[in-house]
Amino acid sequence: DAKTTQPTSMDCAEGRAANLPCNHSTISGNEYVYWYRQIHSQGPQYIIHGLKNNETNEMASLIITEDRKSSTLILPHATLRDTAVYYCIVRVGNFNKFYFGSGTKLNVKP
Amino acid sequence: DGGITQSPKYLFRKEGQNVTLSCEQNLNHDAMYWYRQDPGQGLRLIYYSQIVNDFQKGDIAEGYSVSREKKESFPLTVTSAQKNPTAFYLCASSMEPGLAGFSSTDTQYFGPGTRLTVL
Repeated sequence: DAKTTQPTSMDCAEGRAANLPCNHSTISGNEYVYWYRQIHSQGPQYIIHGLKNNETNEMASLIITEDRKSSTLILPHATLRDTAVYYCIVRVGNFNKFYFGSGTKLNVKP
Repeated sequence: DGGITQSPKYLFRKEGQNVTLSCEQNLNHDAMYWYRQDPGQGLRLIYYSQIVNDFQKGDIAEGYSVSREKKESFPLTVTSAQKNPTAFYLCASSMEPGLAGFSSTDTQYFGPGTRLTVL
């Protein structure tokens, strides 16, 4: 199983970029990396996913290292509403099963 | 509006009672999932269903049961056999079931959750 390792918590100043790291050293060649976030007492929200290339959408950018053993989620201009737990996820096995670790609690401060 | 709905948002039950949590989606998704979340922890998979009338156990299925009689609905029953049922329950769905041998890139979309408290 490709598990992930993330820091427990991080702080970021409002308006600055938030860079959230994730290690997934046992990832298989065809496994995608997904990022979700969960605001307190709500369902997780999809942010972005990728395989090898860097990806960008309206919410964030995903940078995946060449060896695919780690990735970084970038929120370019963090706001107070980005305060949440961010989960880095790698699919487990052939079925669409996600393994959710404990995530990173991002605190965006004024 | 398209989406996933879970009801109720808060649910209280007495110990020893079975309780059924509702999950409905109008996204025309084939696959549906149930997760459990305990305070300060990530999500753990209870059951999942890739297609109507079929479902598989996840990592913590003991004490739970599900049915998938309709594509839109995937109710979860928390039985009296579940030793620690108090938790936040999340339902999700995805378009593709992720067939064996294929790497699905399909995204899971989550409902708002039901917080179950057993007294």
